[in-house]
Amino acid sequence: DIQMTQSPFSLSASVGDRVTITCRASQSISSYLNWYQQKPGKAPKVLIYAASGLQSGVPSRFSGSGSGTDFTLTISSLQTEDSATYYCQQSYSTPQTFGQGTKVEIK
Amino acid sequence: EVQLVESGGGFVQPGRSLRLSCAASGFTFDDYAMHWVRQPPGKGLEWVSGISYNSGSIAYADSVKGRFAISRDNAKNSLYLQMNSLRPEDTALYYCAKDTGVQYYYYIGVWGKGTTVTVSS
Repeated sequence: DIQMTQSPFSLSASVGDRVTITCRASQSISSYLNWYQQKPGKAPKVLIYAASGLQSGVPSRFSGSGSGTDFTLTISSLQTEDSATYYCQQSYSTPQTFGQGTKVEIK
Repeated sequence: EVQLVESGGGFVQPGRSLRLSCAASGFTFDDYAMHWVRQPPGKGLEWVSGISYNSGSIAYADSVKGRFAISRDNAKNSLYLQMNSLRPEDTALYYCAKDTGVQYYYYIGVWGKGTTVTVSS
């Protein structure tokens, strides 16, 4: 199985800060990497698909990059509504796997 | 509006069975692959199973292989998860989710609200 490792586990940043979350796959997954945002008590929501595709309706401050084994989710200017847990997911092979999540808090 | 509504969750003793259902609406159900994803209380997301648009391809997480069975009825716009030999570690919120392609190798574009399964003696 492909293991997905996110870092950091959690972070606290101020409104307007640039935030970066990384995700590393245990083997190459090409660009089959998706990012989801989950707020407490809610279902996840896709932000980025295929490593760098911005899902329709998602603010442009969210961006994704990477290929192979190393990927990044960037929030260019953190907003209060971005307080959530973020998960990466590989859809390259089954079983599909998620990272353990990164909790983003606003200072 | 695209909607996925899960049902069938509940409290069950270890070793027993449960069948989850997911009613889909607002889209052409048989054009898309579907998934079940679960989330134990206070923990992260775990992919459970995926099924292609025509049931031709099916896959499971190692943790449920041989115990769970995914299926779909395209005539009824419904997805199912038959869960047998349940264990306490299967306790979770189970989400029904719609892929964006006919196979389950794209990404999940729509999620239901989930149904809770609790396995305990």
